[in-house]
Amino acid sequence: DAMVIQNPRYQVTQFGKPVTLSCSQTLNHNVMYWYQQKSSQAPKLLFHYYDKDFNNEADTPDNFQSRRPNTSFCFLDIRSPGLGDAAMYLCATSRGTSRNLNEQFFGPGTRLTVL
Amino acid sequence: AQTVTQSQPEMSVQEAETVTLSCTYDTSESDYYLFWYKQPPSRQMILVIRQEAYKQQNATENRFSVNFQKAAKSFSLKISDSQLGDAAMYFCAYKNRDDKIIFGKGTRLHILP
Repeated sequence: DAMVIQNPRYQVTQFGKPVTLSCSQTLNHNVMYWYQQKSSQAPKLLFHYYDKDFNNEADTPDNFQSRRPNTSFCFLDIRSPGLGDAAMYLCATSRGTSRNLNEQFFGPGTRLTVL
Repeated sequence: AQTVTQSQPEMSVQEAETVTLSCTYDTSESDYYLFWYKQPPSRQMILVIRQEAYKQQNATENRFSVNFQKAAKSFSLKISDSQLGDAAMYFCAYKNRDDKIIFGKGTRLHILP
């Protein structure tokens, strides 16, 4: 089945130790998103790729970076995780063009723990 | 900037009963899209129902329907014949012309057996 896959599902890292989360999709969607979701809160958009064009949210910390080497894969790099970065990280995709009803398809998320 | 407000952090409903989750939003755009997403505990977010702002007819998907009041900027979700599997966090979401989704803070729905 076409889907959005996130690996790993659970990631534990140490304070300040770089970590990379991955997302892959078989939907061939041109837009990929990374969200941060803290407990019982709404997902917060960090950035998204429209094809190869990177779009960073204004309030996304510099500590967070992203790479999209091809259509199928997108990575979230946290250069120096702090305790406040512990959260669920959601990847989503959409067949994006402006003014369309296309929904975003979400992956199962990676829960990041920072020790 | 658009905002989405869900005024009910938590709700409970008896199994087989009907429940309505409220959502209001603020925007200056005339053309946009609205969604309700469901996030079960420890499971991924899935789309429940969607609505195009230019359509007056309320969207329905089986037991799920919306009451879309464009002038009032209101977009409530009605779940009929509630089932135990409906227990989840429900997010109301607004999609703007830049393809970004703005989520409300969510409503946690409990189904009482």
